[in-house]
Amino acid sequence: GGIITQTPKFLIGQEGQKLTLKCQQNFNHDTMYWYRQDSGKGLRLIYYSITENDLQKGDLSEGYDASREKKSSFSLTVTSAQKNEMAVFLCASRTGGQDTQYFGPGTRLLVL
Amino acid sequence: GDSVTQKQGQVTLSEDDFLFINCTYSTTTYPTLLWYVQYPGQGPQLLLKVTTANNKGISRGFEATYDKGTTSFHLQKASVQESDSAVYFCALVAMTNSAGNKLTFGIGTRVLVRP
Repeated sequence: GGIITQTPKFLIGQEGQKLTLKCQQNFNHDTMYWYRQDSGKGLRLIYYSITENDLQKGDLSEGYDASREKKSSFSLTVTSAQKNEMAVFLCASRTGGQDTQYFGPGTRLLVL
Repeated sequence: GDSVTQKQGQVTLSEDDFLFINCTYSTTTYPTLLWYVQYPGQGPQLLLKVTTANNKGISRGFEATYDKGTTSFHLQKASVQESDSAVYFCALVAMTNSAGNKLTFGIGTRVLVRP
């Protein structure tokens, strides 16, 4: 088995601040994903990466940057946090040839 | 593009009640349809997978079926327990490029089971 770790668990930022969320997986999976979860809107894909140093934009990439420094880690940066923004950011990973994506516990963001 | 519609935002049941959640989908490819469950404070975890080949999946007392004629798939459980309280998401797998494997999620159904 394996695990996905997301840090921090809670993130409180100020409007306009640049904020970075981190994700680590020890499944040795090739593909990693970042999703945003808002109440009543399901999960929306921000970025994904099929291998180290690869980045692909999802449906919600504006306002975000991502970095796949190595196979096991995938970072997401909120380039300018928006006031009153509140969401859960979920990291996931998947091995090639399989449909199942495994999710981390999420980082809960609040912007004051 | 692919889309999934999950209309039920919240369902409140009593223990031993029957649970039924329905999703409809639109895609140009052969679909693989997934059900994820998310417990409070956790990320979603795969509950069931249904493909055009098997039309049905069963796990932990839950059953997922797929109807190609109506492009719908649903999740059901005959007798829910309080521990089944969670958010349930349907999702459609789309093979985008060499390894993208995008999931298109429904909005989720919050199931609350009262003791």
